Amino acid sequence: QSVLTQPPSRSGTPGQRVTISCSGTNSNIGSNTVNWYQQLPGTAPKLLIYTDDQRPSGVPDRFSGSKSGTSASLAISGLQSEDEADYYCASWDDSLNGHVVFGGGTKVTVL
Amino acid sequence: EVQLVESGGGLVKPGGSLKLSCAASGFTFNTYRMNWVRQAPGKGLEWVSSITSSSPYIAYADSLKGRFTISRDNAKNSLYLQMNSLRAEDTAVYYCARVQEGFSDSSPYYYLDYWGQGTLVTVSS
Repeated sequence: QSVLTQPPSRSGTPGQRVTISCSGTNSNIGSNTVNWYQQLPGTAPKLLIYTDDQRPSGVPDRFSGSKSGTSASLAISGLQSEDEADYYCASWDDSLNGHVVFGGGTKVTVL
Repeated sequence: EVQLVESGGGLVKPGGSLKLSCAASGFTFNTYRMNWVRQAPGKGLEWVSSITSSSPYIAYADSLKGRFTISRDNAKNSLYLQMNSLRAEDTAVYYCARVQEGFSDSSPYYYLDYWGQGTLVTVSS
């Protein structure tokens, strides 16, 4: 049981917009920034979005993040076949003696 | 170029021990907090442990119950994870990751900006 709650799966056709939700509490998302990681099949996780809505250099602008209260969202606009991957949200949790908490991950399938 | 390369994984019997290493290059290792994160087969990411740049602050996931020890050697640009009393549920790919942390507009931020390729630990008789 993950501390942050994500839907197990999302799917879309090429060009569609897909959103992934991430729900937490006041001790994590409600008081700390949210980050998103992309894990392509058979590879290590890669930072996709940091501090709620910032993209690292090299991440396409079709990926965007947002946060409101104790929830966050990742949106993929103009879905492409190479976006098929697992996506994880993460945040710091003040109630766990300074621990990082992850969502359970969302598998995005491009139909 | 930032690189993190884990090593030391393998097959170990329940109750056994293993020490993982993470060799860092391409950045000033002794100025960054480092984390270990693991991923059981077919499962999600689980934070394992954290160590600050000069080792005064160390944290572990509660589920580890004192069996794991994180350490670092800044002179060797290396991070370690000593794992004792291993159980089947410790079977996972173990990743080391660099931490970016600080304050932006008075709000704290903390994220893992670079990850290694991972090393597989299999606990089985």
